[in-house]
Amino acid sequence: AQSVTQPDIHITVSEGASLELRCNYSYGATPYLFWYVQSPGQGLQLLLKYFSGDTLVQGIKGFEAEFKRSQSSFNLRKPSVHWSDAAEYFCAVGTDSWGKLQFGAGTQVVVTP
Amino acid sequence: NAGVTQTPKFQVLKTGQSMTLQCAQDMNHEYMSWYRQDPGMGLRLIHYSVGAGITDQGEVPNGYNVSRSTTEDFPLRLLSAAPSQTSVYFCATQDSYGYTFGSGTRLTVV
Repeated sequence: AQSVTQPDIHITVSEGASLELRCNYSYGATPYLFWYVQSPGQGLQLLLKYFSGDTLVQGIKGFEAEFKRSQSSFNLRKPSVHWSDAAEYFCAVGTDSWGKLQFGAGTQVVVTP
Repeated sequence: NAGVTQTPKFQVLKTGQSMTLQCAQDMNHEYMSWYRQDPGMGLRLIHYSVGAGITDQGEVPNGYNVSRSTTEDFPLRLLSAAPSQTSVYFCATQDSYGYTFGSGTRLTVV
């Protein structure tokens, strides 16, 4: 069965420090990969996506992610976090052409001054 | 261009009541889906539709019904609400570029 794992439930990072959120998936073929961000009480905003091609993907708000097929990973990174990056982040995997998304449990990011 | 519109935004139901969560899109996307979000569990697929007249079950379909009579609308029905259905519900559409989510409906069943 397909699965998506975000190993870190909660991460605390200082403003200006770098951030890396981990995502691992289990799926037989190359999936479609997404990262979403959700602020409290809000909907989901797409940060970036990977369908094919260059394995380093640039997204909005200064985020990037790298697809590593050998590690079945799609980790999200930001070189320098801002207080406004405090939110919950979800990795999602689309596993067929009709894209039934499977989500990870999410990682809550807290940014300290 | 409103994208994906969900109504209502908030709802409180008593156990056993029924209600319909509405989802409408103006992007002419064939694929639509419903997810529920619970703390620590991410979003889980309830039902999905690949076009008008075609629906199928997702990961957690029990207690929910759907129908798709038009491309634009994909309502989610709770026939007899249970406290376990307290959640935030998101509707989404998909095209070749990815997914568009609605802003969600927060449902509390007491």
